[in-house]
Amino acid sequence: GQNIDQPTEMTATEGAIVQINCTYQTSGFNGLFWYQQHAGEAPTFLSYNVLDGLEEKGRFSSFLSRSKGYSYLLLKELQMKDSASYLCAVIGGTALIFGKGTTLSVSS
Amino acid sequence: KAGVTQTPRYLIKTRGQQVTLSCSPISGHRSVSWYQQTPGQGLQFLFEYFSETQRNKGNFPGRFSGRQFSNSRSEMNVSTLELGDSALYLCASGKRDGDTQYFGPGTRLTVL
Repeated sequence: GQNIDQPTEMTATEGAIVQINCTYQTSGFNGLFWYQQHAGEAPTFLSYNVLDGLEEKGRFSSFLSRSKGYSYLLLKELQMKDSASYLCAVIGGTALIFGKGTTLSVSS
Repeated sequence: KAGVTQTPRYLIKTRGQQVTLSCSPISGHRSVSWYQQTPGQGLQFLFEYFSETQRNKGNFPGRFSGRQFSNSRSEMNVSTLELGDSALYLCASGKRDGDTQYFGPGTRLTVL
């Protein structure tokens, strides 16, 4: 079966660092994506990992361990505008399978 | 380059009716996927099209169907609407199968 797990909610304060974990069990694996979705808006692409290791892009980094079926999204120097839902998605074959998302609330 | 566009943005229908939603992908993108998003279930994959062929289908009843045209534009149709079909329907496009997908703003469907 296909299963992607991530925490439902997380809270953090401005300027802090937060790590959002994602574990997956899928019948195929062709890569893992992270998307950000603000309330009432469409998901926007953040990162893509297909090989093990860390991908850094500005304040956001994403890590993948294929052997462990595990990824995390690291957000540094948090800002209020980072309050959003963060979606982990695995592409197995050609279809994107999404987790239910982690709602991050950033407070001042 | 223009992003993914979806029409209409909002739609209200009653049970038993049918609805057609439209998606225009980013220019040059040939893969179009459709998702249903609800608060309880999150984003669920409906189907994916590439070069007018359905390549993959999610676990939805046959009331949900779609197609893709030669210009890569896609439509999805839901027949015999049920209250539970109320959701945000998102379309995403990519250059090819398995490529990064970019989402449109979605169509908010409300079934009364």
